Amino acid sequence: EPEVTQTPSHQVTQMGQEVILRCVPISNHLYFYWYRQILGQKVEFLVSFYNNEISEKSEIFDDQFSVERPDGSNFTLKIRSTKLEDSAMYFCASKSGGGSYEQYFGPGTRLTVT
Amino acid sequence: GEDVEQSLFLSVREGDSSVINCTYTDSSSTYLYWYKQEPGAGLQLLTYIFSNMDMKQDQRLTVLLNKKDKHLSLRIADTQTGDSAIYFCAETTPGGYNKLIFGAGTRLAVHP
Repeated sequence: EPEVTQTPSHQVTQMGQEVILRCVPISNHLYFYWYRQILGQKVEFLVSFYNNEISEKSEIFDDQFSVERPDGSNFTLKIRSTKLEDSAMYFCASKSGGGSYEQYFGPGTRLTVT
Repeated sequence: GEDVEQSLFLSVREGDSSVINCTYTDSSSTYLYWYKQEPGAGLQLLTYIFSNMDMKQDQRLTVLLNKKDKHLSLRIADTQTGDSAIYFCAETTPGGYNKLIFGAGTRLAVHP
């Protein structure tokens, strides 16, 4: 069964460093998302991406964040200068088309900023 | 604004039914979802219901939606130890991009 994959499963980085979190959405999907979950808090929407551009972003998704679909399979989230408060589980999700309401999630990347 | 609330913890005996409840505030919600998260794993889509439906059944899972009270519930029949997990309620609103708004999750503990 097709699934969303994410790498790495755990990333440790120092404050101020850049990190790139990688996702491979399900192959025929067209809509892509990033969410995050700070430990003990709700899963929060960060950004949605369609047709090679950001379609919606939350207040959390400031200038430190960017997303890219560099090729036909990967979808990345970059944090330019990490802060302690960026420590969280980051989930990638995808859905097939505009008429679909089923978002499928990857296993997540745990980001720890020290 | 959009908000989704859930109780944080539920404990049931194996073989009993579990009922996990959720309330939401946005009356324009179009779809409401239940996701399951097992330890160390991602979010697994369990089921979802369109807002013009009252009920949806899928094997051991029954979703009930009371749109007037903005109340959603998930009933798991014959709960098993493998059902122990965190269950997240989520909603999405009209529009093509369908960001999900999640509740805090209900931790279901199943004991013998």
